[in-house]
Amino acid sequence: QLQLQESGPGLVKSSETLSLTCSVSGGSISRFSYFWAWIRQPPGKGLEWIGSVYYRGNTYYNPSLKSRVTISVDTSNNHFSLTLNSVTAADTAFYYCAKDRGYQQAGRDAFDLWGQGTAVTVSS
Amino acid sequence: QSVLTQPPSVSGAPGQRVTISCTGSSSNIGAGYDVHWYKQVPGTAPKLLIYSNIHRPSGVPDRFSGSKSGTSASLGITALQADDEADYYCQSYDRSLSGSVFGGGTKLTVL
Repeated sequence: QLQLQESGPGLVKSSETLSLTCSVSGGSISRFSYFWAWIRQPPGKGLEWIGSVYYRGNTYYNPSLKSRVTISVDTSNNHFSLTLNSVTAADTAFYYCAKDRGYQQAGRDAFDLWGQGTAVTVSS
Repeated sequence: QSVLTQPPSVSGAPGQRVTISCTGSSSNIGAGYDVHWYKQVPGTAPKLLIYSNIHRPSGVPDRFSGSKSGTSASLGITALQADDEADYYCQSYDRSLSGSVFGGGTKLTVL
């Protein structure tokens, strides 16, 4: 059974780079036709899709974050990663990794498996 | 301001039925893209409740149902229970934004 686990620093300084990794266990990240996604949730607010990656490396980003975001996949280590540059206090959020159901194009399908999430605070 | 609009809150007594609306536009729900629904208990990750407008994943009780018409979708919950109290989010795809979008969330209170 697939499981996802986020990891990375919980505190990032303003203007620096946020880097998170999502480790996939219980199956190979490249075995299935899933899109692997990052989704965030600022404190007390709603969910925001950051972007998705396919195991072959195809990426799809939220236009509002596209200039600062990179999502990559590492099939050898069975994980995918998020990099967000030039962070500000507005990037303080709970960050989730997730997988979609694998039946539609990126961003169109439901996310049926989520990691437990990791809190990231941007400090000044 | 979310692309998909949900009421901030709804409430109902145990045993009653509530519905949560999700209103979009011609570039998302109205364009035919599927709507999905999630339940999030505070402090935990969202859980998929309804996918592709009307379908329940294995393990989700049939008290939960989804529907879609025009530029809107709805989540229905019957026979309300105390543990239904949570935040509920809708999700779809927006072709203008070329990406997935979520509603702002609805807090369900079981009275």
